[in-house]
Amino acid sequence: SQQGEEDPQALSIQEGENATMNCSYKTSINNLQWYRQNSGRGLVHLILIRSNEREKHSGRLRVTLDTSKKSSSLLITASRAADTASYFCATASPGFQKLVFGTGTRLLVSP
Amino acid sequence: DTGVSQNPRHKITKRGQNVTFRCDPISEHNRLYWYRQTLGQGPEFLTYFQNEAQLEKSRLLSDRFSAERPKGSFSTLEIQRTEQGDSAMYLCASSLMGGMANTGELFFGEGSRLTVL
Repeated sequence: SQQGEEDPQALSIQEGENATMNCSYKTSINNLQWYRQNSGRGLVHLILIRSNEREKHSGRLRVTLDTSKKSSSLLITASRAADTASYFCATASPGFQKLVFGTGTRLLVSP
Repeated sequence: DTGVSQNPRHKITKRGQNVTFRCDPISEHNRLYWYRQTLGQGPEFLTYFQNEAQLEKSRLLSDRFSAERPKGSFSTLEIQRTEQGDSAMYLCASSLMGGMANTGELFFGEGSRLTVL
């Protein structure tokens, strides 16, 4: 079963706009990761934030983590049509046995 | 190619038949995972191996499912007596755990899509 929920389920924006996706989870974590999946393809790791971190940046990506609210957000700035994909958050349990994925946000960026 | 490789990419079978999927992980990775993903959903954990040992199995993995990683390298996932509900994308991922690499970042293959008629 999924660890958490992502919000919104779908997001449609224009190129150049920012896209924000939210993830909520249920249990304690060691880290939280975001992955991207193009239609019909495998998942690609984007960024990882540890439970003792609050914010992390990588290129046009900004991730925040609020462990008190058990939530995270992914911000993609200056979006491009090539950013069109599904985005999933995944939580690593203490001990890193496995990643548990959320339900995903489908992002559509129109030229 | 240093990525995770999965074969076959697509499999169409009739209900009741057996199917087997193969995953070749990144060579130095000691962990290998199988996930299942249905349309519009996130990947659901099935099982994982640390080297050749199968350390955890989800309750989603019924008796008809079996996974092996005989020499700690490639892995196979077999589904016996397939049912229409088994139709899904089966994703394999690998990771390197130990030393400084304890992040749990997964490297995924392109998946094997199963359609059961």
